[in-house]
Amino acid sequence: QVQLVQSGGEVKKPGASVRVSCKTSGYIFTSYGINWVRQAPGQGLEWMGWISAYNGDTNYAQQFQDRVTMTTDTSTNTAYMELRSLRSDDTAVYYCARGLVELYYFDYWGQGTLVTVSS
Amino acid sequence: SYVLTQPPSVSVAPGQTARITCGESNIGSKSVHWYQQKPGQAPVLVVYDDSDRPSGIPERFSGSNSGNTATLTISRVEAGDEADYYCHVWDSSSDHSVFGPGTKVNVL
Repeated sequence: QVQLVQSGGEVKKPGASVRVSCKTSGYIFTSYGINWVRQAPGQGLEWMGWISAYNGDTNYAQQFQDRVTMTTDTSTNTAYMELRSLRSDDTAVYYCARGLVELYYFDYWGQGTLVTVSS
Repeated sequence: SYVLTQPPSVSVAPGQTARITCGESNIGSKSVHWYQQKPGQAPVLVVYDDSDRPSGIPERFSGSNSGNTATLTISRVEAGDEADYYCHVWDSSSDHSVFGPGTKVNVL
């Protein structure tokens, strides 16, 4: 069965960086892409961007363009999302979600990773 | 940029029908997807491409999309359907995914 398992929660100080991993199984990793979506406490879903696991092409949401990097490791079927220059309003649960191509629906989601930014 | 609108909340009695709308100009020309999110859990896809259901999703969940409004309909509502529901589209003008603000379904 398809599974996306994310890394554990993180506590970071303002200005630091965080990297969240998303280890996948149960499907051909390079046949799909991975989206990253975040959800601030009590708020809605916010799309951050997408990466193709086939060729590494990325598409980042404009508001994260300068601070985010998404990568994949095809040897371990894992996707990564790094967010830099963290601010307190980056405190959120970060989800990875599978999508066939960048304009596709998100059919499987990771369990979420809570990133807390606090001094 | 594309901005989707959803009612903040919908209240429905058990056994009745809940309708959750997602609005934007000419949304009928796009494919709309819907996710259910229960407290403390990851979202779950319940309808994709306007009206298709993933395997394992009850037939009580259905979708439609025309003109300026897409609708998720939950028939014979159960207590377990209480959750937040988000619509999602691909905005081809910006090449970005967009989510609606979410609708909380309250089962009375």
